[in-house]
Amino acid sequence: AQTVTQSQPEMSVQEAETVTLSCTYDTSESDYYLFWYKQPPSRQMILVIRQEAYKQQNATENRFSVNFQKAAKSFSLKISDSQLGDAAMYFCALNFGNEKLTFGTGTRLTIIP
Amino acid sequence: DAGVTQSPTHLIKTRGQQVTLRCSPKSGHDTVSWYQQALGQGPQFIFQYYEEEERQRGNFPDRFSGHQFPNYSSELNVNALLLGDSALYLCASSLAGGDRRVDFGAGTRLSVL
Repeated sequence: AQTVTQSQPEMSVQEAETVTLSCTYDTSESDYYLFWYKQPPSRQMILVIRQEAYKQQNATENRFSVNFQKAAKSFSLKISDSQLGDAAMYFCALNFGNEKLTFGTGTRLTIIP
Repeated sequence: DAGVTQSPTHLIKTRGQQVTLRCSPKSGHDTVSWYQQALGQGPQFIFQYYEEEERQRGNFPDRFSGHQFPNYSSELNVNALLLGDSALYLCASSLAGGDRRVDFGAGTRLSVL
């Protein structure tokens, strides 16, 4: 079985600053994908960024980047130049093979103007 | 290009009743998964449908059942509703053997009184 742990229930950051959300996971699989999803109050789960486990290079998407440490089973999300629209619940998720996702419990991110 | 659509957006039922939730996958996707998200928690996998068959199932009782139609749309049925079934139900779609991208609908909020 795989597990995903997000140890920060809540985080806050000043607008335009940088924040890092933490995620650790456990799986016995070698080929898997990791994701960060954003869920605003509208409830729509939006894909922020994803990382293939076999790729050593960290994924980046504009202001969002990850620090993927495979040996440590760590997958943190860095948000640069935080904007008010970044306020949401952020979920780390893991999947392998057949698209079933295992989610963490989420981190609520607040942006302070 | 329509994304994942779910209906209804909100539903109120009483204990013991039965409910049916509906989902249309994103255009080009053939696999549908259902998740239950309790308040303040991450989504939990219920089951997945591919080629009109249940391919995977999470740790949910038989009261939860589903169906996939030839056009890939799907239904989630819950019988003998319990208060604990109150949650946000998310539908997700993906393409089997594709790039592992999973798209989510906005969910159906079920309240059981």
